[in-house]
Amino acid sequence: DAKTTQPPSMDCAEGRAANLPCNHSTISGNEYVYWYRQIHSQGPRYIIHGLKNNETNEMASLIITEDRKSSTLILPHATLRDTAVYYCIVRVAGGHNTDKLIFGTGTRLQVFP
Amino acid sequence: NAGVMQNPRHLVRRRGQEARLRCSPMKGHSHVYWYRQLPEEGLKFMVYLQKENIIDESGMPKERFSAEFPKEGPSILRIQQVVRGDSAAYFCASSPGPGGRIGNGYTFGSGTRLTVV
Repeated sequence: DAKTTQPPSMDCAEGRAANLPCNHSTISGNEYVYWYRQIHSQGPRYIIHGLKNNETNEMASLIITEDRKSSTLILPHATLRDTAVYYCIVRVAGGHNTDKLIFGTGTRLQVFP
Repeated sequence: NAGVMQNPRHLVRRRGQEARLRCSPMKGHSHVYWYRQLPEEGLKFMVYLQKENIIDESGMPKERFSAEFPKEGPSILRIQQVVRGDSAAYFCASSPGPGGRIGNGYTFGSGTRLTVV
């Protein structure tokens, strides 16, 4: 019952921008898009999140299409330490009844020298 | 400020035994979530708890699995009569409260890797 689909793997040269796409065509109007990454089966680490507008922080940028059916995570200058599995996630938070992250299968990003 | 603490990191149980996984949330966080990850898969939601309350257990198997978050002490995920299919990584996360507007959302622990032999 994943709400997101991502390519299983991508490669990126060190120093170049990594653009990771995600489709979430069934997302509801009040559901946020989150991105986390997981390195070597450690706990997932938060990267960025957004609802409608594009977002940027010190790690990445998130571009969300106007119809909210897809988004792209951008790592502006990939390093070898960015090699990880990147999860595009829909957060379902309905008042006091639930709050959960719906993970997809993720994209395994390999950054090469 | 310690992050989310999970223990043990690795747990080996024989079929039919009980497994107890513990999670201490970040300081100031009163909401705890448990997720399970099978090899080569994404995390799957299991249960969402607040202190002394189960809010959403829609992802929990109907039998053998239970979770609690008492007023004092860590949250416990308990698996009775474990089977080989329970072998997985179990991650706990905490947050100060629900809602997508709240900052960075969840903070995950490092997980407990359960192996059933």
